[in-house]
Amino acid sequence: AQSVAQPEDQVNVAEGNPLTVKCTYSVSGNPYLFWYVQYPNRGLQFLLKYITGDNLVKGSYGFEAEFNKSQTSFHLKKPSALVSDSALYFCAVRDTGYNKLIFGAGTRLAVHP
Amino acid sequence: EAGVTQFPSHSVIEKGQTVTLRCDPISGHDNLYWYRRVMGKEIKFLLHFVKESKQDESGMPNNRFLAERTGGTYSTLKVQPAELEDSGVYFCASSRGGRQNEKLFFGSGTQLSVL
Repeated sequence: AQSVAQPEDQVNVAEGNPLTVKCTYSVSGNPYLFWYVQYPNRGLQFLLKYITGDNLVKGSYGFEAEFNKSQTSFHLKKPSALVSDSALYFCAVRDTGYNKLIFGAGTRLAVHP
Repeated sequence: EAGVTQFPSHSVIEKGQTVTLRCDPISGHDNLYWYRRVMGKEIKFLLHFVKESKQDESGMPNNRFLAERTGGTYSTLKVQPAELEDSGVYFCASSRGGRQNEKLFFGSGTQLSVL
């Protein structure tokens, strides 16, 4: 069965420092991977996706994610964190054969001034 | 372009009562999904409509939950009777074509509290 794991409930980082939010997945076949972000009192917003091709995917707001097939990981990264990046981040994989997303439990990112 | 809208944003009801959540997808989006997040846990799939047809309802927890999408436009999710464990945030999402590489557009969610 497909699944997504986000091992950290919260990630704390100082403004200006690089950030990484971790995600590992389990899926049969080729994975379609996504990152979404939820700001307070807002819906989930799409950040980026990996379908095929380059292992480094660039997305919105300066975020990027690195697909690693051997480690079945899809970590979200940003070279320099902003306080405004503080939010809840969800990793998701598309269920093969079905049109639904399987989400992780989410990681809260706190960027401190 | 208007986004996905959900109503109400918050609902507080007592155990045994009925609640109906509404979702208006982006115009022209045939695919509509319902998801739920219980506090601190993963966002779980409930069901998927393509136009007015239920494509996949494998995530519906039990027969106290009824989803409809008459006419293939807006959708409602009714919980009757509500139980304490139904509390959580209910998200609706829509997409145009339903391709596997397509992103979903989410509403802000309905926070349901069952007391």
